[in-house]
Amino acid sequence: AQSVAQPEDQVNVAEGNPLTVKCTYSVSGNPYLFWYVQYPNRGLQFLLKYITGDNLVKGSYGFEAEFNKSQTSFHLKKPSALVSDSALYFCAVRDSNQAGTALIFGKGTTLSVSS
Amino acid sequence: DSGVTQTPKHLITATGQRVTLRCSPRSGDLSVYWYQQSLDQGLQFLIQYYNGEERAKGNILERFSAQQFPDLHSELNLSSLELGDSALYFCASSVRQTPGNTIYFGEGSWLTVV
Repeated sequence: AQSVAQPEDQVNVAEGNPLTVKCTYSVSGNPYLFWYVQYPNRGLQFLLKYITGDNLVKGSYGFEAEFNKSQTSFHLKKPSALVSDSALYFCAVRDSNQAGTALIFGKGTTLSVSS
Repeated sequence: DSGVTQTPKHLITATGQRVTLRCSPRSGDLSVYWYQQSLDQGLQFLIQYYNGEERAKGNILERFSAQQFPDLHSELNLSSLELGDSALYFCASSVRQTPGNTIYFGEGSWLTVV
């Protein structure tokens, strides 16, 4: 079975500082990994994904994520946080070997960026 | 705007009632997914359809059912509603069911059961 862990319920950073939102995963096959962001009372917006290739993936709004197979992690990063980045962030995983499986989400991490 | 359209946006209904949530996927997308988001359970996968056929099933209650129609829109039917069914229900779509396809989410349908 596949699963995702986001060990931090909340991450607090000051505007202009780098941010990291952590994610670890478990799948039986090779992972396809995704990050989504949810603003209050809105749907989930796709940020980026790792399928194969370069371990560093760049996405929307200046976010990037690094795939680390040995640590089974896919941490979301941004060099300089903005107040507008404050939102709920979800990591998700799908098993590349099974077409009939769903995208499984972590519990989410609330990012709070202070000015 | 993801291109996934959900109606209604908000719905208040009484316990024991039945409701239908509707979803229009992005143009060209064949696969539709339903998720439930609640404070205690987080984002839970309910069910997936691909080109009209059920492809994967998650934690969907027997009181809930879904279908995808020939025009590719989908409906999620929730019956014998309980207070605990109050949640945000998301529909999402992707081009195909390939695991690497990006899944795009709608804005959700807020269901409140009173």
